[in-house]
Amino acid sequence: QKEVEQDPGPLSVPEGAIVSLNCTYSNSAFQYFMWYRQYSRKGPELLMYTYSSGNKEDGRFTAQVDKSSKYISLFIRDSQPSDSATYLCAMSADTGGFKTIFGAGTRLFVKA
Amino acid sequence: EADIYQTPRYLVIGTGKKITLECSQTMGHDKMYWYQQDPGMELHLIHYSYGVNSTEKGDLSSESTVSRIRTEHFPLTLESARPSHTSQYLCASLAFGRGDNEQFFGPGTRLTVL
Repeated sequence: QKEVEQDPGPLSVPEGAIVSLNCTYSNSAFQYFMWYRQYSRKGPELLMYTYSSGNKEDGRFTAQVDKSSKYISLFIRDSQPSDSATYLCAMSADTGGFKTIFGAGTRLFVKA
Repeated sequence: EADIYQTPRYLVIGTGKKITLECSQTMGHDKMYWYQQDPGMELHLIHYSYGVNSTEKGDLSSESTVSRIRTEHFPLTLESARPSHTSQYLCASLAFGRGDNEQFFGPGTRLTVL
């Protein structure tokens, strides 16, 4: 079993829709939770970062962490065609040199 | 300007050659990482370092080696390239903390071994 599970999609939504992306994990030591966006043929770029449980909002993006369920989510409001990309969840712990474990990534297509 | 650099961006090389992929960052981050990613596939950690003179192997079995003699420099070396090494290699540096979430990926090196 992988430490981080993420549905690879693809997920196709119309412009303006609310998008929900999710990951589950098995390692209870994870404390740092990230969401990255990766456009084709580019390196990932950090979108959201959350420490421990709770919610964090940044513009149209909201990240949620539920450590009791080992479940994290990223919500995108008013989705735009420019949001079309692969979204990767990632997480790490204070131990092991902050080794970051990535999900497989969910491919998102936002149709105009 | 804070940034992370990788060279070369593209490399086509013959089987058996020795190659070194360069990665440098200007942010003074202690932690650096090498990932391998095939097109449309997930990232696989192959090496990481949490400071000068510290390196660890990642989750993906790799025939590459790394060194960390200086904080800003984390090169990856393949002693004898093979076609199975054809992939994209991404370098990243991180400064994690409860209030510090700087994290950057380089642009990647696309390696093709003939």
